[in-house]
Amino acid sequence: GQQVMQIPQYQHVQEGEDFTTYCNSSTTLSNIQWYKQRPGGHPVFLIQLVKSGEVKKQKRLTFQFGEAKKNSSLHITATQTTDVGTYFCAATRSSGNTGKLIFGQGTTLQVKP
Amino acid sequence: GAVVSQHPSWVICKSGTSVKIECRSLDFQATTMFWYRQFPKQSLMLMATSNEGSKATYEQGVEKDKFLINHASLTLSTLTVTSAHPEDSSFYICSAPPKAAPGGYGYTFGSGTRLTVV
Repeated sequence: GQQVMQIPQYQHVQEGEDFTTYCNSSTTLSNIQWYKQRPGGHPVFLIQLVKSGEVKKQKRLTFQFGEAKKNSSLHITATQTTDVGTYFCAATRSSGNTGKLIFGQGTTLQVKP
Repeated sequence: GAVVSQHPSWVICKSGTSVKIECRSLDFQATTMFWYRQFPKQSLMLMATSNEGSKATYEQGVEKDKFLINHASLTLSTLTVTSAHPEDSSFYICSAPPKAAPGGYGYTFGSGTRLTVV
C-alpha cells in the first residue's frame, strides 16, 4: 500500500536555529498534508499542498511539494520553544482529499531555550 | 471551525473487560470517521473507517471482532475495544475528513483517548 517515509525521526535544535523535515513517497501523491502534534495532544492540521512544485508559507513555516509530487518538506526558520512537537506529513490513499489519511513516521522536534 | 468531541480522554480498565470510546461531530455531520491507534513515540496507524449506515472497513491486520466500530448516526461513531488486554493499551484517536468538516482541507481530529489495560 501507499507509504510515506519521513526523516529525520528526531531533531534537537537550539532556539533560533532552523529545522527541516522531509517526506518521500515511491508513488505520485494527489496531495500532501502536514500536521503538528504537541506532546499529549492530537494532530492539528497545518496545511495542504496540491500542485506540483507548490510552496506555501505560514509565518516562519515554509512548505514545499516536489515537482514530481513524490516528496515534500517543512522548514521552520528561527525555531522557538513553541515549535516543540511532532510534525507529520500525511497523504490520502485515494484521489482527492477525503480518503484514508496515511501518516508518515513523524519528526519530533525538541528546542533548547 | 469543525470540532470532533472524543471521550473519555483517558480510561483504565481491567484485563478482559470492554471499553467504549465515542466520537461526536459537534457542528457538522460526519458520514465517515477514521479511527487510529498511536503507540508511544510512534506514528498514527489507521485501524478502520466507520461509515454511517454501513459496516466499517478495517485495515489489514486489525481484528474486527476485537475492535467493534459503530457509526450510529451522522454525528456519532464509536469504537469498542472488547476483551481488552495490556497490549491494547494505546492512544486511540478519531478523525473526520474535510468534506464532512467545513472550513478547510484538513482532517479534524478528536482529542484522543489514552487506554491503559491493567
